[in-house]
Amino acid sequence: EVQLVESGGGLVKPGGSLRLSCATSGFNFSNSNMNWVRQAPGKGLEWVSSMSKRQTYIYYAESLRGRFTISRDNAKNSLYLQMNNLTVEDTAVYFCARQAETGESDFWGRGTLVIVSS
Amino acid sequence: SWELTQPPSVSVSPGQTASITCSGDKLGDKYACWYQQKPGQSPVLVIYQDDKRPSGIPERFSGSNSGNTATLTIRGTQAMDEADYYCQAWDSTSFYVFGTGTKVTVL
Repeated sequence: EVQLVESGGGLVKPGGSLRLSCATSGFNFSNSNMNWVRQAPGKGLEWVSSMSKRQTYIYYAESLRGRFTISRDNAKNSLYLQMNNLTVEDTAVYFCARQAETGESDFWGRGTLVIVSS
Repeated sequence: SWELTQPPSVSVSPGQTASITCSGDKLGDKYACWYQQKPGQSPVLVIYQDDKRPSGIPERFSGSNSGNTATLTIRGTQAMDEADYYCQAWDSTSFYVFGTGTKVTVL
């Protein structure tokens, strides 16, 4: 069974940092491209970042570039998102998702909630 | 930046057909996919590569993509299909783009 489990969310003050983790199992993680997607309360889905299987390609949403860093550890079957200089607009549920070869996100985690508030 | 636009809401009677559009410049030149998201749950892929259904997705879900518009069609809509639906495609400059989302209400 494919599983993706996000962790690391919580309450943080504006300007603070958080590191999200996504532990995976049930599929060949080292051979999979991966995504981070977020959803602010009551809003739609927003793509955050993508990383290819061998870290050859890394993409970020234009509005987030420079503050967020995606990484992965294929030995631990895990994906990470380092988030710095957080603002209230970063408050959202953050999902990790596997990206199929044809580009769609075919498996998703349940998400981890990040709240940025003073 | 490249954008995908969907109608905010679509209403359908049980057993009828719901059609949800997704518009973007030259969208038909790219692959589109669709996700269903129910309140408090993660998105679920219902259509990929324009018109393919993942394993476990009912046959009443179908998709098409041509010109500037991709369409998700739900035939014989059931109460369980009430959810938010998002289209998504990959663009060489904006990368991974989601549509604005459509709330489907089954009346």
